[in-house]
Amino acid sequence: AQSVTQLDSHVSVSEGTPVLLRCNYSSSYSPSLFWYVQHPNKGLQLLLKYTSAATLVKGINGFEAEFKKSETSFHLTKPSAHMSDAAEYFCVVSDTPNFGNEKLTFGTGTRLTIIP
Amino acid sequence: DTGVSQDPRHKITKRGQNVTFRCDPISEHNRLYWYRQTLGQGPEFLTYFQNEAQLEKSRLLSDRFSAERPKGSFSTLEIQRTEQGDSAMYLCASSSLAGFQSYEQYFGPGTRLTVT
Repeated sequence: AQSVTQLDSHVSVSEGTPVLLRCNYSSSYSPSLFWYVQHPNKGLQLLLKYTSAATLVKGINGFEAEFKKSETSFHLTKPSAHMSDAAEYFCVVSDTPNFGNEKLTFGTGTRLTIIP
Repeated sequence: DTGVSQDPRHKITKRGQNVTFRCDPISEHNRLYWYRQTLGQGPEFLTYFQNEAQLEKSRLLSDRFSAERPKGSFSTLEIQRTEQGDSAMYLCASSSLAGFQSYEQYFGPGTRLTVT
């Protein structure tokens, strides 16, 4: 069975300061891990994905995440927050063997607020 | 726009009525997925198709729910005898399959269902 836990339901940071959104996962296999972002009234957009290559994954809009197997974590970071980053962020796991992503299991989400 | 489209975007219906939603995936994507997202939660997997074959269904998909993808292109999700608990955002996603490796899922904007 696979699951993800997003440790913070809501994170607020000031514009220009670092962002850290925390995620822990549980998986029976070697997992594929993803971060998706959901802006109001828009579809889910893939930020980045980990599929057993480099453990530090770079995504769009300056976001990156590090896969740490020993800690079963996949935290999302960004050095400097921008107002446009305000959105809901979902950590997602798929443990389909062969690193497919047929069935995605989403966390409950972290709402990121940017303070001007 | 060549992304995933869903119709309608909003649906209000009375309890007991039947509703049908449509999803048009990205052209030539042979995998199509349905998810349900309730307020304050992450999306939950319902079912997915490879071409016209329905390969997996979640236990969330009660016998009142049926999904089809008759020609391997667009898909429909029907809910019969709607209940207030069916109120949610219904999301569709598509991906391509190369060999044994699926690629990331691209999501549509969703259909928001309100059952009164």
